[in-house]
Amino acid sequence: EVQLVESGGALVQPGGSLRLSCAASGFTFSTYWMSWVRQAPGKGLEWVANIRQDGGEIYYVESVKGRFTISRDNTKNSLFVQMNSLRVEDTAVYYCARSDDYGPSFGYWGQGTLVTVSS
Amino acid sequence: QSALAQPPSASGTPGQRVSISCSGRSSNIGSNHVYWYQQLPGTAPKLLIYENNQRPSGVPDRFSGSKSGTSASLAISGLRSEDEADYYCAAWDDSLRGPVFGGGTKLTVL
Repeated sequence: EVQLVESGGALVQPGGSLRLSCAASGFTFSTYWMSWVRQAPGKGLEWVANIRQDGGEIYYVESVKGRFTISRDNTKNSLFVQMNSLRVEDTAVYYCARSDDYGPSFGYWGQGTLVTVSS
Repeated sequence: QSALAQPPSASGTPGQRVSISCSGRSSNIGSNHVYWYQQLPGTAPKLLIYENNQRPSGVPDRFSGSKSGTSASLAISGLRSEDEADYYCAAWDDSLRGPVFGGGTKLTVL
């Protein structure tokens, strides 16, 4: 059974940093693109970043470029996102999602982890 | 403001057929596949339609997708109370170099 379990969400002050993790199981992690997708409270879905199987191709939404860094460790079946210079508008539930390619073919999602940026 | 435009709400009675539209541009829907997601209250999104009109295993054939030009549509026939959820369309955007979502449509089963 495919499982994606996010962790690391917390309350952080504006300007602070946070690292989210996603533990994958039930499939061959190294053969799939992986993404982070977020959802602000009461709002819609927003794709944040994705990374190719070998980490050699990465894309970010414009609003997080230079502040967020997506990475993966295929030896530990894990996906990460390092979030720096956090802003109030980064407050959201962050989902880890698996896709077949770089597009929005998100066949599996985690349960999400809440990041709250507030003073 | 979302890259893909969806009506904020839709409604129907049990057994009815409802349709949800998704409007984009040449850089996204016009040149790439469309995907649809269903998000039940308090849960993670679920892939409903991929590559414009394909259903993943386990998705009932009451759900169907179509695409024409820079617009797409999700149709739900034989509406059921458990279909009450938020629905999102998505597509890759060649200009933005990333996936984009619609703002979501809240479906109410009356």
